[in-house]
Amino acid sequence: EDQVTQSPEALRLQEGESSSLNCSYTVSGLRGLFWYRQDPGKGPEFLFTLYSAGEEKEKERLKATLTKKESFLHITAPKPEDSATYLCAVQAPNDYKLSFGAGTTVTVRA
Amino acid sequence: EAGVVQSPRYKIIEKKQPVAFWCNPISGHNTLYWYLQNLGQGPELLIRYENEEAVDDSQLPKDRFSAERLKGVDSTLKIQPAELGDSAVYLCASSKGVVTDTQYFGPGTRLTVL
Repeated sequence: EDQVTQSPEALRLQEGESSSLNCSYTVSGLRGLFWYRQDPGKGPEFLFTLYSAGEEKEKERLKATLTKKESFLHITAPKPEDSATYLCAVQAPNDYKLSFGAGTTVTVRA
Repeated sequence: EAGVVQSPRYKIIEKKQPVAFWCNPISGHNTLYWYLQNLGQGPELLIRYENEEAVDDSQLPKDRFSAERLKGVDSTLKIQPAELGDSAVYLCASSKGVVTDTQYFGPGTRLTVL
């Protein structure tokens, strides 16, 4: 069974204090790894898809990287509006299903 | 482009009562998903539709849950009767195709069963 573990569960940052979130996964092969952002009371919002080890993608202050066993979401010089829960999900080969981790809740203080 | 639309946004019911959730996917998206999200957890798939066909409902508790997607567009998820443990957020998502296509989520319906 595919497993996705995200750490830490919660992260409190000062504005401008860069940090990283971890997503480790166990899946036989990987078709894709997805990062979503979820604000309170809203549905997950798509951020990135990564397909192969060594791949990187960036969007504003966020950068996602992928290795064979884990992915990192780096937040550079965060702002209060980056406060949210960040969800990681994996998709196995020949499978449509997204298996989600429990998420990392990031709080950025001004 | 309009996103995935869900209604109602919130629903409070007594246990043993029926409840229904509605979803309108992004235009042109053939695949529709219903997920359940418990507090502090990631979403878990309940059912997937390709057009009007339910191609995977293995995670749907069929004794009390049912779903339909008539005409391959809008979808309804129903619970009858509701139990206390059904309190959660019910999310609808859609994608153009299936494998590797990005799934876009709606805002969800927060269900509270008293």
